Amino acid sequence: RKEVEQDPGPFNVPEGATVAFNCTYSNSASQSFFWYRQDCRKEPKLLMSVYSSGNEDGRFTAQLNRASQYISLLIRDSKLSDSATYLCVVKGNTGKLIFGQGTTLQVKP
Amino acid sequence: DTGVSQDPRHKITKRGQNVTFRCDPISEHNRLYWYRQTLGQGPEFLTYFQNEAQLEKSRLLSDRFSAERPKGSFSTLEIQRTEQGDSAMYLCASSPAGEYGYTFGSGTRLTVV
Repeated sequence: RKEVEQDPGPFNVPEGATVAFNCTYSNSASQSFFWYRQDCRKEPKLLMSVYSSGNEDGRFTAQLNRASQYISLLIRDSKLSDSATYLCVVKGNTGKLIFGQGTTLQVKP
Repeated sequence: DTGVSQDPRHKITKRGQNVTFRCDPISEHNRLYWYRQTLGQGPEFLTYFQNEAQLEKSRLLSDRFSAERPKGSFSTLEIQRTEQGDSAMYLCASSPAGEYGYTFGSGTRLTVV
């Protein structure tokens, strides 16, 4: 079983739609959580950190449920420019980041 | 440029040749990481350094792979006797110590023919 699991998709949604991605992690000792965005043939870039209280950055909302070891990302009012792969990431007590496979989002006009 | 830089951006090599990649992290970041990414997968951890000390190596890092960070600044990743299965994007990232995410370089895309 992978340490971080995501549905690879692809998710094909129309502009303006709301889309949610989910992720589970296996190591209960994981300490920090992130969502990264990766455009085709580019490096991953930090989208947002994820906190237990939930956090929002514009159209993006991230949630963490430590009891269920579950992380989510909600994107509201999808834009064409949101098309990318979204990587769920956990950081364990050794300091390294563990990445999920990524979920591909395609927003269509 | 204050980001993470990697060199070269692309490398095509024949099977059996040795290759070396370089990474220059953000100067105030004491942690440096190497990852490998193949098509359709997330980045896979290879190794990381805190200053010049190599603190962890993945089982993915076979004997043909070696990484160094001799002065705690730039790092090199060498692959000896390359195989076709080594074809991938090799990503370097750096971070300060603590609960932060990483900043990635643009990567080195290796193709072994």
